[in-house]
Amino acid sequence: AQSVTQPDIHITVSEGASLELRCNYSYGATPYLFWYVQSPGQGLQLLLKYFSGDTLVQGIKGFEAEFKRSQSSFNLRKPSVHWSDAAEYFCAVGFAGGGGADGLTFGKGTHLIIQP
Amino acid sequence: DAGVTQSPTHLIKTRGQQVTLRCSPKSGHDTVSWYQQALGQGPQFIFQYYEEEERQRGNFPDRFSGHQFPNYSSELNVNALLLGDSALYLCASSSRGGGYEQYFGPGTRLTVT
Repeated sequence: AQSVTQPDIHITVSEGASLELRCNYSYGATPYLFWYVQSPGQGLQLLLKYFSGDTLVQGIKGFEAEFKRSQSSFNLRKPSVHWSDAAEYFCAVGFAGGGGADGLTFGKGTHLIIQP
Repeated sequence: DAGVTQSPTHLIKTRGQQVTLRCSPKSGHDTVSWYQQALGQGPQFIFQYYEEEERQRGNFPDRFSGHQFPNYSSELNVNALLLGDSALYLCASSSRGGGYEQYFGPGTRLTVT
């Protein structure tokens, strides 16, 4: 069965500093990969996605992620964080079956705290 | 363009009762997936509906059932509620054949007392 590991439960970063959130997955086939962000009491917003092709993908709000097949990783990065980036971040993996998107498997999330 | 909508926003039920949650997908989407998010955890996949049929199911008991209507909207039903069913229930929609990304609604917060 597939699984997703986000090893950092909490990360604290100073405003303006760079950010990297880690995500490792275990999957039998080449998955498709996502990062979502969740603000308190809200649903999930899609930041970026990887299906195939270029392993460095750009997303919204200045985020990017790099797919490394050899390391089974899909780490999220941002060169300079803003206070509004404080939120819960989830990595998710899935598989395309039957022509559509299958149910996603999520990690437990990383809580990002921004210090002024 | 309306996104995914869910109702109600919050719900309080008693153990043993039954509950129905509702979801309207994003315009142009035909597939609805339901997830349960317990406090402090990532969402867990419950099941997915396409063409009014359950197409895929996660590791949830039969107490969890669903339905999809001809207009693609969906319901999640939970019978014989347990305290452990307290969670945020998220609906996500996608377009079969139109890409693999799923768009989430704001969720329904269910509290079982």
